[in-house]
Amino acid sequence: AQKVTQAQTEISVVEKEDVTLDCVYETRDTTYYLFWYKQPPSGELVFLIRRNSFDEQNEISGRYSWNFQKSTSSFNFTITASQVVDSAVYFCALSEANYGQNFVFGPGTRLSVLP
Amino acid sequence: EAQVTQNPRYLITVTGKKLTVTCSQNMNHEYMSWYRQDPGLGLRQIYYSMNVEVTDKGDVPEGYKVSRKEKRNFPLILESPSPNQTSLYFCASSTWTGYNEQFFGPGTRLTVL
Repeated sequence: AQKVTQAQTEISVVEKEDVTLDCVYETRDTTYYLFWYKQPPSGELVFLIRRNSFDEQNEISGRYSWNFQKSTSSFNFTITASQVVDSAVYFCALSEANYGQNFVFGPGTRLSVLP
Repeated sequence: EAQVTQNPRYLITVTGKKLTVTCSQNMNHEYMSWYRQDPGLGLRQIYYSMNVEVTDKGDVPEGYKVSRKEKRNFPLILESPSPNQTSLYFCASSTWTGYNEQFFGPGTRLTVL
């Protein structure tokens, strides 16, 4: 069965520090999709990125970057030069292509960026 | 404006009193889903639907029902709510499948006394 683990429950950093949020997944499928979503204090869920299992290229979007490593079943998220507006709960999620269309989220990591 | 709407946003009810939370999307999405969010557990999928009249169980379907009679609507029904269903509920939709970007509604906070 599929599973997503985010071992860091809460992280606090000071503004301008870099921070990495860890995500480890388990899957029985060879084709799967990984996601990161952000939930700011206002409560809405915001899509950040989707990566499929055949694309191990790292991705950078502004201050955000993602490191996908199939060998360690990890899909880590790094925020460079963090800002107070990055304070949120971040969820990693997984969907398998060949075992139904269900969707599994990790428990989330609460990031607090202090001024 | 493309959006997913949920109603009501807040609901306090009592054990055993049937309730329905509505979800509607205006993006012509095929895939719709319901999640509940509980502290320390993240979001857990309750039910999802690939299209009209096609629904399937997620990880935590017990105590819930859904229907998909129209493409835009995906109501969540609690026929006999219990206190352990107190939670924050999100509806979401996406094109084609569950592994595209999902658009989430604003959430419904349900308290069952």
